[in-house]
Amino acid sequence: DAKTTQPNSMESNEEEPVHLPCNHSTISGTDYIHWYRQLPSQGPEYVIHGLTSNVNNRMASLAIAEDRKSSTLILHRATLRDAAVYYCTRVTGTYKYIFGTGTRLKVLA
Amino acid sequence: EAGVAQSPRYKIIEKRQSVAFWCNPISGHATLYWYQQILGQGPKLLIQFQNNGVVDDSQLPKDRFSAERLKGVDSTLKIQPAKLEDSAVYLCASSKTSGASYEQYFGPGTRLTVT
Repeated sequence: DAKTTQPNSMESNEEEPVHLPCNHSTISGTDYIHWYRQLPSQGPEYVIHGLTSNVNNRMASLAIAEDRKSSTLILHRATLRDAAVYYCTRVTGTYKYIFGTGTRLKVLA
Repeated sequence: EAGVAQSPRYKIIEKRQSVAFWCNPISGHATLYWYQQILGQGPKLLIQFQNNGVVDDSQLPKDRFSAERLKGVDSTLKIQPAKLEDSAVYLCASSKTSGASYEQYFGPGTRLTVT
Protein backbone atom coordinates (compact mmCIF):
# COMPACT_ATOMS: atom_id res chain seq x y z
CA ASP A 1 0.00 0.00 0.00
CA ALA A 2 1.50 3.34 -1.06
CA LYS A 3 -0.33 5.43 1.52
CA THR A 4 1.21 7.23 4.44
CA THR A 5 0.00 6.70 8.02
CA GLN A 6 -0.47 9.54 10.49
CA PRO A 7 -2.23 9.93 13.85
CA ASN A 8 -5.70 11.40 13.44
CA SER A 9 -5.14 14.22 15.91
CA MET A 10 -2.60 15.75 18.27
CA GLU A 11 -2.60 18.55 20.81
CA SER A 12 0.12 20.95 21.82
CA ASN A 13 0.47 23.89 24.15
CA GLU A 14 1.29 27.24 22.65
CA GLU A 15 5.00 28.10 22.49
CA GLU A 16 6.01 24.44 22.87
CA PRO A 17 7.58 22.22 20.18
CA VAL A 18 5.39 19.80 18.25
CA HIS A 19 6.52 16.55 16.64
CA LEU A 20 4.15 15.22 14.00
CA PRO A 21 4.99 11.64 12.96
CA CYS A 22 4.40 9.91 9.65
CA ASN A 23 4.90 6.31 8.62
CA HIS A 24 5.74 5.52 5.00
CA SER A 25 7.14 2.02 5.29
CA THR A 26 6.71 1.18 1.58
CA ILE A 27 8.58 4.22 0.31
CA SER A 28 10.78 3.77 -2.75
CA GLY A 29 14.31 5.08 -3.11
CA THR A 30 13.34 7.99 -5.36
CA ASP A 31 10.22 9.06 -3.49
CA TYR A 32 10.26 12.44 -1.78
CA ILE A 33 8.41 13.27 1.42
CA HIS A 34 6.45 16.51 1.37
CA TRP A 35 4.43 18.07 4.14
CA TYR A 36 1.46 20.37 3.56
CA ARG A 37 -0.96 21.92 5.98
CA GLN A 38 -4.55 22.98 5.46
CA LEU A 39 -6.51 25.57 7.36
CA PRO A 40 -10.33 25.46 7.30
CA SER A 41 -11.85 26.46 3.97
CA GLN A 42 -8.43 26.91 2.35
CA GLY A 43 -6.29 24.91 -0.02
CA PRO A 44 -3.25 23.08 1.35
CA GLU A 45 -0.10 25.12 1.94
CA TYR A 46 3.41 23.80 1.38
CA VAL A 47 5.48 23.38 4.53
CA ILE A 48 8.66 21.45 3.75
CA HIS A 49 10.04 18.51 1.78
CA GLY A 50 13.03 16.18 1.78
CA LEU A 51 14.53 13.02 0.30
CA THR A 52 17.09 11.58 2.70
CA SER A 53 18.67 14.27 4.83
CA ASN A 54 17.03 16.32 7.54
CA VAL A 55 15.78 19.68 6.27
CA ASN A 56 15.12 23.04 7.88
CA ASN A 57 13.26 26.10 6.66
CA ARG A 58 11.63 29.13 8.22
CA MET A 59 8.42 27.22 8.95
CA ALA A 60 9.61 23.87 10.28
CA SER A 61 12.15 21.08 10.33
CA LEU A 62 11.83 17.65 8.75
CA ALA A 63 13.59 14.67 10.28
CA ILE A 64 13.77 11.60 8.04
CA ALA A 65 14.66 8.23 9.53
CA GLU A 66 17.80 6.57 8.27
CA ASP A 67 15.79 3.75 6.66
CA ARG A 68 13.35 6.38 5.29
CA LYS A 69 10.35 4.42 6.50
CA SER A 70 9.21 7.25 8.72
CA SER A 71 9.60 10.97 9.14
CA THR A 72 8.73 13.67 11.66
CA LEU A 73 7.65 17.24 11.06
CA ILE A 74 8.87 19.50 13.83
CA LEU A 75 7.29 22.84 14.64
CA HIS A 76 9.74 24.44 17.02
CA ARG A 77 7.31 26.76 18.80
CA ALA A 78 3.64 26.15 18.13
CA THR A 79 1.38 29.18 17.79
CA LEU A 80 -2.38 29.37 17.55
CA ARG A 81 -1.98 30.02 13.81
CA ASP A 82 -0.35 26.60 13.43
CA ALA A 83 -3.65 24.86 14.20
CA ALA A 84 -4.43 22.99 10.98
CA VAL A 85 -4.55 19.57 9.36
CA TYR A 86 -1.02 18.45 8.47
CA TYR A 87 -0.58 16.07 5.54
CA CYS A 88 2.44 13.86 5.05
CA THR A 89 2.67 13.26 1.30
CA ARG A 90 4.67 10.80 -0.75
CA VAL A 91 5.80 12.07 -4.12
CA THR A 92 6.85 9.24 -6.36
CA GLY A 93 9.49 9.14 -9.03
CA THR A 94 6.71 9.48 -11.61
CA TYR A 95 5.61 12.70 -9.84
CA LYS A 96 2.45 11.24 -8.33
CA TYR A 97 1.40 12.98 -5.11
CA ILE A 98 -0.15 10.60 -2.56
CA PHE A 99 -1.69 12.41 0.37
CA GLY A 100 -2.45 10.65 3.64
CA THR A 101 -5.46 11.29 5.84
CA GLY A 102 -3.65 13.95 7.83
CA THR A 103 -3.17 14.90 11.48
CA ARG A 104 -5.40 17.56 12.97
CA LEU A 105 -3.23 19.69 15.24
CA LYS A 106 -4.91 21.56 18.05
CA VAL A 107 -2.88 24.27 19.79
CA LEU A 108 -3.92 25.20 23.29
CA ALA A 109 -3.47 28.76 24.54
CA GLU B 1 2.87 37.28 -7.15
CA ALA B 2 -0.72 36.21 -7.70
CA GLY B 3 -1.67 32.78 -6.42
CA VAL B 4 -3.68 30.01 -8.05
CA ALA B 5 -7.15 31.28 -8.94
CA GLN B 6 -10.24 29.09 -9.03
CA SER B 7 -13.87 29.74 -9.80
CA PRO B 8 -16.56 29.38 -8.78
CA ARG B 9 -15.90 29.01 -5.05
CA TYR B 10 -19.18 27.23 -4.43
CA LYS B 11 -21.59 25.32 -6.65
CA ILE B 12 -24.78 23.45 -5.90
CA ILE B 13 -26.30 21.24 -8.60
CA GLU B 14 -28.74 18.38 -8.85
CA LYS B 15 -27.60 14.89 -9.72
CA ARG B 16 -27.33 14.19 -13.43
CA GLN B 17 -26.59 17.85 -14.16
CA SER B 18 -23.24 18.98 -15.51
CA VAL B 19 -20.75 21.39 -13.94
CA ALA B 20 -17.43 22.98 -14.88
CA PHE B 21 -14.63 24.39 -12.77
CA TRP B 22 -11.96 26.82 -13.90
CA CYS B 23 -8.37 27.22 -12.73
CA ASN B 24 -5.66 29.73 -13.54
CA PRO B 25 -2.24 28.68 -12.23
CA ILE B 26 0.62 30.84 -11.06
CA SER B 27 2.22 32.59 -14.02
CA GLY B 28 5.02 30.54 -15.53
CA HIS B 29 4.09 27.30 -13.83
CA ALA B 30 4.21 24.46 -16.32
CA THR B 31 2.52 21.80 -14.23
CA LEU B 32 -1.12 21.88 -13.19
CA TYR B 33 -2.99 19.43 -10.98
CA TRP B 34 -6.64 18.80 -10.19
CA TYR B 35 -7.51 17.11 -6.90
CA GLN B 36 -10.74 15.90 -5.33
CA GLN B 37 -11.02 16.25 -1.55
CA ILE B 38 -13.92 14.53 0.13
CA LEU B 39 -14.81 15.80 3.59
CA GLY B 40 -12.45 14.38 6.22
CA GLN B 41 -9.99 12.95 3.69
CA GLY B 42 -6.76 14.04 2.10
CA PRO B 43 -6.73 15.33 -1.47
CA LYS B 44 -6.81 12.70 -4.21
CA LEU B 45 -5.06 13.48 -7.48
CA LEU B 46 -7.40 13.34 -10.46
CA ILE B 47 -5.21 14.58 -13.29
CA GLN B 48 -1.82 16.18 -13.84
CA PHE B 49 -0.83 18.30 -16.84
CA GLN B 50 2.64 19.28 -17.97
CA ASN B 51 2.05 22.32 -20.22
CA ASN B 52 -0.93 21.14 -22.30
CA GLY B 53 -0.15 17.43 -22.14
CA VAL B 54 -1.54 14.90 -19.66
CA VAL B 55 1.08 13.31 -17.41
CA ASP B 56 -1.23 11.22 -15.24
CA ASP B 57 -5.00 10.73 -15.31
CA SER B 58 -5.12 7.25 -13.85
CA GLN B 59 -7.56 8.24 -11.08
CA LEU B 60 -9.87 10.35 -13.22
CA PRO B 61 -13.30 8.70 -13.68
CA LYS B 62 -13.25 9.16 -17.41
CA ASP B 63 -16.85 8.11 -17.95
CA ARG B 64 -18.02 11.34 -16.33
CA PHE B 65 -15.01 13.57 -15.68
CA SER B 66 -12.97 15.42 -18.29
CA ALA B 67 -10.27 18.06 -18.10
CA GLU B 68 -8.39 20.17 -20.55
CA ARG B 69 -5.57 22.68 -20.63
CA LEU B 70 -5.61 23.75 -24.23
CA LYS B 71 -3.03 26.55 -24.28
CA GLY B 72 -0.89 25.27 -21.44
CA VAL B 73 -2.12 27.95 -19.05
CA ASP B 74 -5.59 27.81 -17.52
CA SER B 75 -7.61 24.64 -17.22
CA THR B 76 -11.18 23.44 -16.86
CA LEU B 77 -12.50 20.33 -15.14
CA LYS B 78 -15.96 19.10 -16.09
CA ILE B 79 -18.32 16.57 -14.56
CA GLN B 80 -21.16 15.23 -16.69
CA PRO B 81 -23.42 13.83 -15.36
CA ALA B 82 -22.82 14.49 -11.66
CA LYS B 83 -23.53 11.91 -8.98
CA LEU B 84 -24.18 12.39 -5.28
CA GLU B 85 -20.74 10.98 -4.45
CA ASP B 86 -19.08 13.77 -6.44
CA SER B 87 -19.84 16.17 -3.61
CA ALA B 88 -16.39 17.37 -2.57
CA VAL B 89 -13.94 20.24 -2.77
CA TYR B 90 -12.10 20.37 -6.08
CA LEU B 91 -8.63 21.78 -5.69
CA CYS B 92 -6.34 23.08 -8.39
CA ALA B 93 -2.60 23.32 -7.81
CA SER B 94 0.42 24.30 -9.86
CA SER B 95 4.18 23.90 -9.69
CA LYS B 96 7.09 25.25 -11.70
CA THR B 97 7.47 21.96 -13.48
CA SER B 98 7.01 18.24 -12.94
CA GLY B 99 9.36 16.80 -10.39
CA ALA B 100 9.19 15.34 -6.93
CA SER B 101 11.40 18.10 -5.53
CA TYR B 102 9.08 20.93 -6.51
CA GLU B 103 6.43 22.18 -4.15
CA GLN B 104 2.83 22.69 -5.20
CA TYR B 105 0.80 25.84 -4.73
CA PHE B 106 -2.92 25.30 -4.19
CA GLY B 107 -5.91 27.43 -4.97
CA PRO B 108 -8.78 27.93 -2.51
CA GLY B 109 -10.88 25.19 -4.11
CA THR B 110 -14.43 24.87 -5.38
CA ARG B 111 -16.91 23.28 -3.01
CA LEU B 112 -19.40 21.20 -5.00
CA THR B 113 -22.63 19.97 -3.49
CA VAL B 114 -24.69 17.51 -5.52
CA THR B 115 -28.29 17.10 -4.33
